[in-house]
Amino acid sequence: EAGVAQSPRYKIIEKRQSVAFWCNPISGHATLYWYQQILGQGPKLLIQFQNNGVVDDSQLPKDRFSAERLKGVDSTLKIQPAKLEDSAVYLCASSPIRRGGLQPRNYGYTFGSGTRLTVV
Amino acid sequence: SQQGEEDPQALSIQEGENATMNCSYKTSINNLQWYRQNSGRGLVHLILIRSNEREKHSGRLRVTLDTSKKSSSLLITASRAADTASYFCATDAAGGYQKVTFGTGTKLQVIP
Repeated sequence: EAGVAQSPRYKIIEKRQSVAFWCNPISGHATLYWYQQILGQGPKLLIQFQNNGVVDDSQLPKDRFSAERLKGVDSTLKIQPAKLEDSAVYLCASSPIRRGGLQPRNYGYTFGSGTRLTVV
Repeated sequence: SQQGEEDPQALSIQEGENATMNCSYKTSINNLQWYRQNSGRGLVHLILIRSNEREKHSGRLRVTLDTSKKSSSLLITASRAADTASYFCATDAAGGYQKVTFGTGTKLQVIP
């Protein structure tokens, strides 16, 4: 089974520029997550999709961050404009869980390798 | 916000020794998961323990869960240099939809 694909692997931009990250989850996984991991900290959930709908975006800084998941498959996360404090690793994960579905929710997540963003 | 807090923050042991990491959390959970992260890489799911389970094994890993104390521990037996990584506990809060929140992590160094 192919894993979660993310690109690019690294990105360096100047503050106030924009940047976009791409994620292709495991085929058939209904739920997709974007996490932000600042150096030395645990991952923090930014947004959670189920199919192409947003389930939770309560910690997404919506004045500068946006995300979409077209057709319930690939997803992009955008930052516009970037700030220095956005420097972090952006991780995408997927799981097969469907809200209201018959599957038990006791599945772990499969993570991509992440995109390391440096804002200078 | 971080749900779990790992303890210790850092741990250094000799190869062959056992490593124990602890996790405490605040709210009722549906399950608790442990992940490993090698430097600069994505997270790898190690093991999941449900709220009605008390202990689970997977190879050299042993996880315990005490819901009355809201705590869990991860034991790695006969550690190897390749176990050097950061370990995170993650909790899926009870109720609602699946939403996993990660702790702060324990950095494990296994010295050959």
